[in-house]
Amino acid sequence: GAGVSQSPRYKVTKRGQDVALRCDPISGHVSLYWYRQALGQGPEFLTYFNYEAQQDKSGLPNDRFSAERPEGSISTLTIQRTEQRDSAMYRCASSPFSGFPGNTIYFGEGSWLTVV
Amino acid sequence: DAKTTQPNSMESNEEEPVHLPCNHSTISGTDYIHWYRQLPSQGPEYVIHGLTSNVNNRMASLAIAEDRKSSTLILHRATLRDAAVYYCILRDGSNRDDKIIFGKGTRLHILP
Repeated sequence: GAGVSQSPRYKVTKRGQDVALRCDPISGHVSLYWYRQALGQGPEFLTYFNYEAQQDKSGLPNDRFSAERPEGSISTLTIQRTEQRDSAMYRCASSPFSGFPGNTIYFGEGSWLTVV
Repeated sequence: DAKTTQPNSMESNEEEPVHLPCNHSTISGTDYIHWYRQLPSQGPEYVIHGLTSNVNNRMASLAIAEDRKSSTLILHRATLRDAAVYYCILRDGSNRDDKIIFGKGTRLHILP
Protein backbone atom coordinates (compact mmCIF):
# COMPACT_ATOMS: atom_id res chain seq x y z
CA GLY A 1 0.00 0.00 0.00
CA ALA A 2 0.94 3.63 -0.17
CA GLY A 3 1.43 3.98 3.55
CA VAL A 4 1.45 2.03 6.79
CA SER A 5 -2.05 0.74 7.43
CA GLN A 6 -3.37 -0.18 10.86
CA SER A 7 -6.62 -1.80 11.90
CA PRO A 8 -8.86 -1.41 13.68
CA ARG A 9 -8.55 2.35 14.00
CA TYR A 10 -10.64 2.27 17.17
CA LYS A 11 -11.26 -0.62 19.50
CA VAL A 12 -13.29 -0.69 22.70
CA THR A 13 -12.99 -3.89 24.67
CA LYS A 14 -13.99 -5.14 28.06
CA ARG A 15 -11.40 -5.78 30.69
CA GLY A 16 -10.14 -9.35 30.51
CA GLN A 17 -10.74 -9.77 26.78
CA ASP A 18 -7.95 -10.39 24.29
CA VAL A 19 -7.32 -7.93 21.46
CA ALA A 20 -5.33 -8.18 18.25
CA LEU A 21 -4.06 -5.10 16.45
CA ARG A 22 -2.91 -5.41 12.87
CA CYS A 23 -0.24 -3.55 10.96
CA ASP A 24 0.32 -3.67 7.22
CA PRO A 25 3.66 -1.97 6.48
CA ILE A 26 4.69 -0.18 3.32
CA SER A 27 5.29 -2.76 0.61
CA GLY A 28 8.89 -3.95 0.60
CA HIS A 29 9.82 -2.50 3.96
CA VAL A 30 11.98 -4.88 5.91
CA SER A 31 11.71 -3.34 9.37
CA LEU A 32 8.54 -2.99 11.38
CA TYR A 33 8.16 -1.28 14.76
CA TRP A 34 5.42 -1.17 17.38
CA TYR A 35 4.98 1.75 19.76
CA ARG A 36 2.47 2.70 22.41
CA GLN A 37 1.59 6.32 23.02
CA ALA A 38 -0.33 7.74 25.93
CA LEU A 39 -1.92 11.19 25.72
CA GLY A 40 0.69 13.93 25.99
CA GLN A 41 3.60 11.51 25.88
CA GLY A 42 6.08 10.51 23.21
CA PRO A 43 5.85 7.10 21.51
CA GLU A 44 7.05 4.33 23.80
CA PHE A 45 9.02 1.57 22.05
CA LEU A 46 7.52 -1.91 22.35
CA THR A 47 9.23 -4.19 19.82
CA TYR A 48 10.61 -4.37 16.30
CA PHE A 49 11.14 -6.90 13.52
CA ASN A 50 13.49 -7.31 10.61
CA TYR A 51 11.69 -9.53 8.12
CA GLU A 52 9.94 -12.14 10.28
CA ALA A 53 12.55 -12.08 13.04
CA GLN A 54 11.73 -10.23 16.22
CA GLN A 55 14.92 -8.29 16.91
CA ASP A 56 14.05 -6.67 20.20
CA LYS A 57 11.05 -7.08 22.46
CA SER A 58 12.46 -5.39 25.50
CA GLY A 59 9.75 -2.73 25.47
CA LEU A 60 6.82 -5.12 25.82
CA PRO A 61 5.42 -4.28 29.28
CA ASN A 62 4.71 -7.84 30.41
CA ASP A 63 3.93 -11.31 29.11
CA ARG A 64 0.35 -10.36 28.21
CA PHE A 65 1.81 -8.52 25.23
CA SER A 66 3.15 -10.37 22.20
CA ALA A 67 3.82 -9.63 18.57
CA GLU A 68 4.42 -11.65 15.48
CA ARG A 69 5.24 -11.13 11.82
CA PRO A 70 5.18 -14.66 10.43
CA GLU A 71 5.73 -13.92 6.75
CA GLY A 72 7.81 -10.81 7.10
CA SER A 73 5.02 -8.48 6.06
CA ILE A 74 1.85 -8.01 8.13
CA SER A 75 2.30 -7.93 11.89
CA THR A 76 -0.09 -8.50 14.75
CA LEU A 77 0.26 -7.11 18.27
CA THR A 78 -1.79 -9.17 20.71
CA ILE A 79 -2.77 -8.13 24.21
CA GLN A 80 -4.19 -10.88 26.36
CA ARG A 81 -6.47 -10.35 29.36
CA THR A 82 -6.63 -6.61 28.76
CA GLU A 83 -6.53 -4.19 31.67
CA GLN A 84 -7.62 -0.57 31.83
CA ARG A 85 -3.99 0.57 31.96
CA ASP A 86 -3.55 -0.89 28.46
CA SER A 87 -5.74 1.89 27.04
CA ALA A 88 -3.59 3.92 24.66
CA MET A 89 -2.81 4.63 21.04
CA TYR A 90 -0.80 1.80 19.49
CA ARG A 91 1.32 2.89 16.55
CA CYS A 92 3.08 0.83 13.94
CA ALA A 93 5.94 2.07 11.78
CA SER A 94 8.02 0.60 8.99
CA SER A 95 11.37 1.34 7.41
CA PRO A 96 13.18 0.02 4.35
CA PHE A 97 15.85 -1.59 6.54
CA SER A 98 17.01 -0.87 10.07
CA GLY A 99 20.67 -1.53 9.30
CA PHE A 100 21.18 1.94 7.89
CA PRO A 101 20.52 4.62 10.53
CA GLY A 102 19.81 7.22 7.89
CA ASN A 103 16.62 5.44 6.90
CA THR A 104 13.34 7.18 7.51
CA ILE A 105 10.66 5.40 9.48
CA TYR A 106 7.05 5.87 8.44
CA PHE A 107 4.23 5.72 10.94
CA GLY A 108 0.68 4.56 10.52
CA GLU A 109 -2.31 6.43 11.88
CA GLY A 110 -2.51 4.17 14.90
CA SER A 111 -5.06 2.00 16.65
CA TRP A 112 -6.79 3.63 19.57
CA LEU A 113 -7.54 1.03 22.26
CA THR A 114 -9.94 1.67 25.12
CA VAL A 115 -10.39 -0.95 27.80
CA VAL A 116 -13.56 -0.53 29.86
CA ASP B 1 20.57 3.91 24.79
CA ALA B 2 21.94 7.33 24.01
CA LYS B 3 19.81 10.04 25.49
CA THR B 4 18.64 13.42 24.25
CA THR B 5 17.39 16.38 26.22
CA GLN B 6 14.95 18.93 24.85
CA PRO B 7 12.94 21.79 26.36
CA ASN B 8 9.37 20.78 27.13
CA SER B 9 7.85 23.61 25.14
CA MET B 10 8.65 26.67 23.08
CA GLU B 11 6.72 29.52 21.52
CA SER B 12 7.37 31.42 18.36
CA ASN B 13 5.62 34.02 16.28
CA GLU B 14 4.30 33.13 12.89
CA GLU B 15 6.62 33.88 9.97
CA GLU B 16 9.66 34.10 12.24
CA PRO B 17 12.54 31.59 12.43
CA VAL B 18 12.45 28.96 15.15
CA HIS B 19 15.47 27.29 16.71
CA LEU B 20 14.73 24.06 18.53
CA PRO B 21 17.67 22.84 20.64
CA CYS B 22 18.65 19.29 21.52
CA ASN B 23 21.42 18.15 23.84
CA HIS B 24 23.00 14.74 23.35
CA SER B 25 26.17 14.87 25.39
CA THR B 26 26.67 11.09 25.39
CA ILE B 27 26.44 10.74 21.62
CA SER B 28 28.80 8.20 20.08
CA GLY B 29 30.77 8.67 16.91
CA THR B 30 28.42 6.53 14.85
CA ASP B 31 25.10 7.94 16.10
CA TYR B 32 22.95 9.75 13.57
CA ILE B 33 20.82 12.67 14.76
CA HIS B 34 17.23 12.48 13.56
CA TRP B 35 14.33 14.87 14.01
CA TYR B 36 10.71 13.86 13.74
CA ARG B 37 7.61 15.88 14.42
CA GLN B 38 4.11 14.90 15.41
CA LEU B 39 1.23 17.09 14.33
CA PRO B 40 -1.97 16.96 16.41
CA SER B 41 -3.82 13.66 16.02
CA GLN B 42 -1.21 12.25 13.63
CA GLY B 43 1.71 9.87 13.80
CA PRO B 44 5.28 11.16 13.88
CA GLU B 45 6.78 12.19 10.56
CA TYR B 46 10.37 12.55 9.45
CA VAL B 47 11.86 16.04 9.32
CA ILE B 48 15.61 15.76 8.83
CA HIS B 49 18.71 13.87 9.88
CA GLY B 50 22.47 14.29 9.92
CA LEU B 51 25.73 12.84 11.18
CA THR B 52 28.38 15.56 11.34
CA SER B 53 27.70 18.27 8.79
CA ASN B 54 24.85 20.73 8.77
CA VAL B 55 21.94 19.64 6.58
CA ASN B 56 19.22 21.46 4.71
CA ASN B 57 16.03 20.21 3.14
CA ARG B 58 12.73 21.71 2.08
CA MET B 59 11.30 21.43 5.59
CA ALA B 60 14.12 22.60 7.81
CA SER B 61 17.81 22.90 8.52
CA LEU B 62 19.86 20.96 11.03
CA ALA B 63 22.84 22.59 12.66
CA ILE B 64 25.18 20.19 14.45
CA ALA B 65 27.72 21.43 16.95
CA GLU B 66 31.35 20.74 16.18
CA ASP B 67 31.64 18.37 19.15
CA ARG B 68 28.27 16.82 18.18
CA LYS B 69 27.01 17.10 21.73
CA SER B 70 24.15 19.31 20.67
CA SER B 71 22.14 20.16 17.61
CA THR B 72 19.52 22.67 16.58
CA LEU B 73 16.56 22.21 14.27
CA ILE B 74 15.85 25.42 12.41
CA LEU B 75 12.50 26.25 10.87
CA HIS B 76 13.27 29.26 8.75
CA ARG B 77 9.81 30.77 8.66
CA ALA B 78 7.32 29.17 11.00
CA THR B 79 3.69 28.80 9.99
CA LEU B 80 0.70 27.77 12.07
CA ARG B 81 0.99 24.32 10.48
CA ASP B 82 4.36 23.88 12.15
CA ALA B 83 2.74 23.69 15.57
CA ALA B 84 3.67 20.19 16.69
CA VAL B 85 5.80 18.14 19.06
CA TYR B 86 9.37 17.88 17.77
CA TYR B 87 11.48 14.87 18.71
CA CYS B 88 15.25 14.67 18.57
CA ILE B 89 16.42 11.05 18.33
CA LEU B 90 19.77 9.30 18.08
CA ARG B 91 20.06 6.24 15.88
CA ASP B 92 22.97 3.88 16.30
CA GLY B 93 24.99 3.41 13.14
CA SER B 94 27.38 0.83 14.52
CA ASN B 95 25.83 -2.36 15.81
CA ARG B 96 22.58 -2.39 13.89
CA ASP B 97 20.58 -2.16 17.07
CA ASP B 98 17.72 -0.04 15.89
CA LYS B 99 15.53 0.21 18.95
CA ILE B 100 14.42 3.74 18.15
CA ILE B 101 13.65 5.59 21.35
CA PHE B 102 11.55 8.75 21.47
CA GLY B 103 11.76 11.16 24.39
CA LYS B 104 9.06 13.64 25.37
CA GLY B 105 10.06 16.12 22.67
CA THR B 106 9.45 19.86 22.49
CA ARG B 107 5.93 21.12 22.01
CA LEU B 108 6.14 24.09 19.66
CA HIS B 109 3.40 26.69 19.84
CA ILE B 110 3.09 29.17 16.96
CA LEU B 111 1.47 32.49 17.75
CA PRO B 112 -0.44 34.19 14.93
